[in-house]
Amino acid sequence: GDSVTQMEGPVTLSEEAFLTINCTYTATGYPSLFWYVQYPGEGLQLLLKATKADDKGSNKGFEATYRKETTSFHLEKGSVQVSDSAVYFCALSDRGSQGNLIFGKGTKLSVKP
Amino acid sequence: GAGVSQSPSNKVTEKGKDVELRCDPISGHTALYWYRQRLGQGLEFLIYFQGNSAPDKSGLPSDRFSAERTGESVSTLTIQRTQQEDSAVYLCASSFLAEGEQFFGPGTRLTVL
Repeated sequence: GDSVTQMEGPVTLSEEAFLTINCTYTATGYPSLFWYVQYPGEGLQLLLKATKADDKGSNKGFEATYRKETTSFHLEKGSVQVSDSAVYFCALSDRGSQGNLIFGKGTKLSVKP
Repeated sequence: GAGVSQSPSNKVTEKGKDVELRCDPISGHTALYWYRQRLGQGLEFLIYFQGNSAPDKSGLPSDRFSAERTGESVSTLTIQRTQQEDSAVYLCASSFLAEGEQFFGPGTRLTVL
């Protein structure tokens, strides 16, 4: 079945460092891809998404490009801030599954000042 | 108006007891999803409601789990004869349309002793 694999954390970075969180997927169809973020004490919220190959999703300085050839959707940010500390989840939605999301296990990011 | 709300926020129960979790979706959202997040794991899809259509129950882990939704309003997830492995955070999400952006509630943390 469909699945998502993302790099395990925790990831600890200094402020202004470059961030990459790897995410790869397995899907039989043509999924939409998502990054969700869960800030401490808050609910899960959508960070960015891409619905077809070569699309780039971006939000709050974060970017991810839908790479069909490598089945990847890596999350990047050029300069992280302390406020980016959170758990990040990669997810996919197979169009044939009525929108049900399949999530990776999450990567905890801690940014130190 | 307000986002997705869930109650209770925390629930501690004894093994073998039944529990009922509640989700209030965003008004006007036709699709509603339940997910489970076990410690250190990603979210697992449980059940999906879309309008008045028959729900997609394919993610329910056992017949001890059931859920109801009245029209496009409140949903309840019931777990009968709880087991320790049911301990998790149960998340509800709603979207305006199937395959639309899902908005998540804060979750109910269930602990089965």
